Amino acid sequence: DAGVTQSPTHLIKTRGQHVTLRCSPISGHKSVSWYQQVLGQGPQFIFQYYEKEERGRGNFPDRFSARQFPNYSSELNVNALLLGDSALYLCASSLGAGTNQPQHFGDGTRLSIL
Amino acid sequence: EDQVTQSPEALRLQEGESSSLNCSYTVSGLRGLFWYRQDPGKGPEFLFTLYSAGEEKEKERLKATLTKKESFLHITAPKPEDSATYLCAVRNYGQNFVFGPGTRLSVLP
Repeated sequence: DAGVTQSPTHLIKTRGQHVTLRCSPISGHKSVSWYQQVLGQGPQFIFQYYEKEERGRGNFPDRFSARQFPNYSSELNVNALLLGDSALYLCASSLGAGTNQPQHFGDGTRLSIL
Repeated sequence: EDQVTQSPEALRLQEGESSSLNCSYTVSGLRGLFWYRQDPGKGPEFLFTLYSAGEEKEKERLKATLTKKESFLHITAPKPEDSATYLCAVRNYGQNFVFGPGTRLSVLP
């Protein structure tokens, strides 16, 4: 079975631009979470979605937004990009939002801001 | 505020030299402690979930244990292919995951 897939794998943008990152969860998984991982640090939680509704939000500015579609895939949008937004953006899926099931991660989108 | 710290930051071992990684946590209601392995350029790969103090899980050369304030990942007779960053995460009552900064493990042949 396919794991979590993310696209694109790499992306280069300039300051002030907008970006959309995409994620397809493991088949049967209904919850998707997004994380930002800066080099040398652990992943930092941005959003969790379950059944198309936002279930959690981390400490990120309103420039970050996300949504989940009826097929459980998800998009992360970032507006007015800053140099500090350069990072690996990870998507993780799990069976549900209220279970103790582990999250399974994709290989991420490497975003570089020039 | 929920917090996870890991030590050491980096660890170099000779092949076959056993050691342990530490994960210390403060969390508002632990709903699970998770260990992941992350290779360069890849996403974290799930290893173990621990739910209550005293619990232990094993997989090949890895064994994870949990107390009320910390978890240990014991690596027995490591091989070069065990080289990776090992991440610890806790899940709180809000169902969110909080990750530690990781331990970078290098196993030399």
